[in-house]
Amino acid sequence: DTGVSQNPRHKITKRGQNVTFRCDPISEHNRLYWYRQTLGQGPEFLTYFQNEAQLEKSRLLSDRFSAERPKGSFSTLEIQRTEQGDSAMYLCASSLDGQVNQPQHFGDGTRLSIL
Amino acid sequence: AQTVTQSQPEMSVQEAETVTLSCTYDTSESNYYLFWYKQPPSRQMILVIRQEAYKQQNATENRFSVNFQKAAKSFSLKISDSQLGDTAMYFCAFLMNYGGSQGNLIFGKGTKLSVKP
Repeated sequence: DTGVSQNPRHKITKRGQNVTFRCDPISEHNRLYWYRQTLGQGPEFLTYFQNEAQLEKSRLLSDRFSAERPKGSFSTLEIQRTEQGDSAMYLCASSLDGQVNQPQHFGDGTRLSIL
Repeated sequence: AQTVTQSQPEMSVQEAETVTLSCTYDTSESNYYLFWYKQPPSRQMILVIRQEAYKQQNATENRFSVNFQKAAKSFSLKISDSQLGDTAMYFCAFLMNYGGSQGNLIFGKGTKLSVKP
């Protein structure tokens, strides 16, 4: 069990650029979540997958955001035409099978800074 | 919609003493879980303790215990014998139970706890 892995740890980009983050969940974890955490706030839900199916998306996930989990293993979160307000920590979490008694395990996050 | 409120932005405690972090939540549902997560500086979020709403007995995990008051919608965390390694942001979180399947976590804004030597 190597834990949830997120890359890169830190991304600095200019406003208007596209960025992509990757999350590798704990192996055999079917459920994968993306959250966003801004300074001084708790994490806010963005979206989640059960295997390769994206089951729910938050209203926070504007049309500039897209998440995929093509083979039911790793996931990518892409932000197009980045804006200042996208600066945040993007957290990925996974759980074994989506059963309510299975805890969500978090990665270290990717910190996005928009210049 | 469910909400989670943590009214203490920052707290401090002396090493070896006891501290209690407060959390209230709002929901019209009856079947849910509550959690406390710990986020040390620049490190990942880890689960501290969880409580199932249908269980009246308060959860305990070593030095960590909760006071779950379902009617009052209150879920406080007590840390006994505080250690320097307990210094972190602590988040209270709510999770709906959809017939055995989980949804997303709903977090409070967090409480920054500093343990002083």
